[in-house]
Amino acid sequence: DAGITQSPRHKVTETGTPVTLRCHQTENHRYMYWYRQDPGHGLRLIHYSYGVKDTDKGEVSDGYSVSRSKTEDFLLTLESATSSQTSVYFCAISESIAGSPLHFGNGTRLTVT
Amino acid sequence: GESVGLHLPTLSVQEGDNSIINCAYSNSASDYFIWYKQESGKGPQFIIDIRSNMDKRQGQRVTVLLNKTVKHLSLQIAATQPGDSAVYFCAENIGGSARQLTFGSGTQLTVLP
Repeated sequence: DAGITQSPRHKVTETGTPVTLRCHQTENHRYMYWYRQDPGHGLRLIHYSYGVKDTDKGEVSDGYSVSRSKTEDFLLTLESATSSQTSVYFCAISESIAGSPLHFGNGTRLTVT
Repeated sequence: GESVGLHLPTLSVQEGDNSIINCAYSNSASDYFIWYKQESGKGPQFIIDIRSNMDKRQGQRVTVLLNKTVKHLSLQIAATQPGDSAVYFCAENIGGSARQLTFGSGTQLTVLP
């Protein structure tokens, strides 16, 4: 698992509530990512970070925000969860922004009712 | 032809046989490719990668072949074992941006006894 811990592993929440997912790494990698995985879609990038307090949007960033106050932690927040955000969320890390593979955590299964 | 995201959904092979999983990509500017294995309930696991200046790369029991002429990538698994049963998907990256790492939706490999 490349030293990546995601929490919680499972979460059920109601529409309109805020949700925060946490990713913690022990590899000291500079780059961290949040993806979502849905049936019929490949992994889609939500946000990524290239350093402490440095983040940028990905392909499907609407409705999500992120924060990275420490190298090892990357938080994903759904400010007001919607049913369309029911998904499996994966955190990933990499040594460089290009030319090196991403290593993934084991995911958080989020259900918004 | 198939593009990243449109794979054969399933592939069944006998234990001990070789497996070949294919992936077509659409962008001729892609310069880095990665194969991942994903078991049920787990995150994607890095298998092997290849850069566009190579045609072939070998790992332990796995070989990746890249044919840039027809924009095709394949993963060969030698002497397939029951533990190889999983979803396999490829990813392509264009020139060093996390936003331009595109994942396919995968092929389910089932190893028959």
